[in-house]
Amino acid sequence: AQSVTQLGSHVSVSEGALVLLRCNYSSSVPPYLFWYVQYPNQGLQLLLKYTSAATLVKGINGFEAEFKKSETSFHLTKPSAHMSDAAEYFCAVRPNFNKFYFGSGTKLNVKP
Amino acid sequence: DTEVTQTPKHLVMGMTNKKSLKCEQHMGHRAMYWYKQKAKKPPELMFVYSYEKLSINESVPSRFSPECPNSSLLNLHLHALQPEDSALYLCASSQPSGSDHEQFFGPGTRLTVL
Repeated sequence: AQSVTQLGSHVSVSEGALVLLRCNYSSSVPPYLFWYVQYPNQGLQLLLKYTSAATLVKGINGFEAEFKKSETSFHLTKPSAHMSDAAEYFCAVRPNFNKFYFGSGTKLNVKP
Repeated sequence: DTEVTQTPKHLVMGMTNKKSLKCEQHMGHRAMYWYKQKAKKPPELMFVYSYEKLSINESVPSRFSPECPNSSLLNLHLHALQPEDSALYLCASSQPSGSDHEQFFGPGTRLTVL
């Protein structure tokens, strides 16, 4: 069965610092992976997705993620955090046509 | 148009009420989803419609009744809910084929059951 694990339910960084949110997947075949962001009382917005075309994926708002098969990881990074990045972030995998599995989420706090 | 709309934005209902949540998309997606999200938790899948047919029901209580009248609309009918059903209800849509296709989410309906 495919699933994703997000390490760290809360991450706190200073404004301007590197953001690193961790996601590991469990799969017997290369999965399709997604990162979503959710602001309070809003729906989820896609940041980026991995579809095997390239291992380094660039998304919106300056985020990127690197697919590492050897580490079964798809960590999300941003070189310089902004106050507006404070939100909940979810890693997700789509193992079959109609089902998505979400990680438990990481709440990012950005300190001024 | 890459938008999924949901109405109402907020809903307060008593345990004996009947209400409905509505979701609409015009992206030509043929898979539509209902999720329930409690505070500080990830979205929890409830139902999936594929080509207007119910394809997945994640053992949801019968007090929740989904309906897909056409390829653009998805409803969730609510009846005799419990206070623990209070949550954010999210609708999403996607292409049904091809595992690389992402879901597009609506803004959600904040439901409070008194």
